[in-house]
Amino acid sequence: DVKVTQSSRYLVKRTGEKVFLECVQDMDHENMFWYRQDPGLGLRLIYFSYDVKMKEKGDIPEGYSVSREKKERFSLILESASTNQTSMYLCASSLGVLFPEAFFGQGTRLTVV
Amino acid sequence: AQKITQTQPGMFVQEKEAVTLDCTYDTSDPSYGLFWYKQPSSGEMIFLIYQGSYDQQNATEGRYSLNFQKARKSANLVISASQLGDSAMYFCAMRENSAGGTSYGKLTFGQGTILTVHP
Repeated sequence: DVKVTQSSRYLVKRTGEKVFLECVQDMDHENMFWYRQDPGLGLRLIYFSYDVKMKEKGDIPEGYSVSREKKERFSLILESASTNQTSMYLCASSLGVLFPEAFFGQGTRLTVV
Repeated sequence: AQKITQTQPGMFVQEKEAVTLDCTYDTSDPSYGLFWYKQPSSGEMIFLIYQGSYDQQNATEGRYSLNFQKARKSANLVISASQLGDSAMYFCAMRENSAGGTSYGKLTFGQGTILTVHP
């Protein structure tokens, strides 16, 4: 089974802190994604990566950056956390266009106080 | 413009009954895929069913079927014989396969529908 693992289920951080959310997948997938989930808004794409060191902005990249130094690992970085970044963050990976399914991690619920 | 619309914030169904969750989409891409995911209270996203835009038949997976009406741009999920364990949030999503594959499998999600199954 494909496994996508996010480093934390719950995080509490202070405003202004630098926050790292880590995601690791074990199936050699090219594509990896970071989504943010908020009530009434569904999941919105923050950033995605289609290869090592390659990244593309999604729909809501402001206030975030990403890093993909190895194929299996995709990190989301909040340079200076703010309270409006309190949310559920979901990482996903997929093999490519021909293989439709995206596999998700268990989610990280981040609270910024 | 919203690309994926789920107009039902919440739905209720009696155990063992069938329920339809609505999803409409908007795209000009001739090649796309439609997905349904289930998210229980534990938070993980569980893939349920997929329909490609060129698929001639409606997708089915066990108790799940996707009522794909291309002309109406709708992709409703039908759950037959509801079970208590079906209570969850359900998301419809679309992937557009445009521009030589540069979509890279990005999914656009709807707002979600919370399904509650009553005993």
